[in-house]
Amino acid sequence: GAVVSQHPSRVICKSGTSVKIECRSLDFQATTMFWYRQFPKQSLMLMATSNEGSKATYEQGVEKDKFLINHASLTLSTLTVTSAHPEDSSFYICSARYRAGNTIYFGEGSWLTVV
Amino acid sequence: KNEVEQSPQNLTAQEGEFITINCSYSVGISALHWLQQHPGGGIVSLFMLSSGKKKHGRLIATINIQEKHSSLHITASHPRDSAVYICAVSPSDKLIFGTGTRLQVFP
Repeated sequence: GAVVSQHPSRVICKSGTSVKIECRSLDFQATTMFWYRQFPKQSLMLMATSNEGSKATYEQGVEKDKFLINHASLTLSTLTVTSAHPEDSSFYICSARYRAGNTIYFGEGSWLTVV
Repeated sequence: KNEVEQSPQNLTAQEGEFITINCSYSVGISALHWLQQHPGGGIVSLFMLSSGKKKHGRLIATINIQEKHSSLHITASHPRDSAVYICAVSPSDKLIFGTGTRLQVFP
């Protein structure tokens, strides 16, 4: 079946540095990818919608200059957390919509710890 | 009030029990998703429903569009079913998530 791969699964970075998380659809073309974050014991929160070849659409309250999203191809979207702060420590997960329908596939998620 | 409400929030069961998790929503939708999230964080899509009922193994999902309600049933529950089960609805391209139901099944 369709697989969405996310990398890295865990990352630790220092405050002030940037970290990039990749989301790849392995066997289908994803016109739309979504990025979410999840704090412990809380619901998933949509950060932004990433459309191939165009600018991402960010949800209210999400800083687009801090969370840079690039969807350069139909199989890859990246989320870069810039000038990371300990408050950015969270679980980040992507999902990809299969072109021909409403089916959504999730990546494995990435645990980010900023120290 | 959240647009997607799940109940119960926490559920404990003995192995073999029949389990029901409920989801109610207040918006018009094109589809409803049931997701399973394990302690490591990864999310698996269990079902996508727009009407009626679907069955996969020991899992059954139903939806009543008129009542804006869906249920996820697990028959003959097993400790490996322990996870957080999340209901999510698609009024558009985006998903709106419930807060999840944490299920623990004990041997």
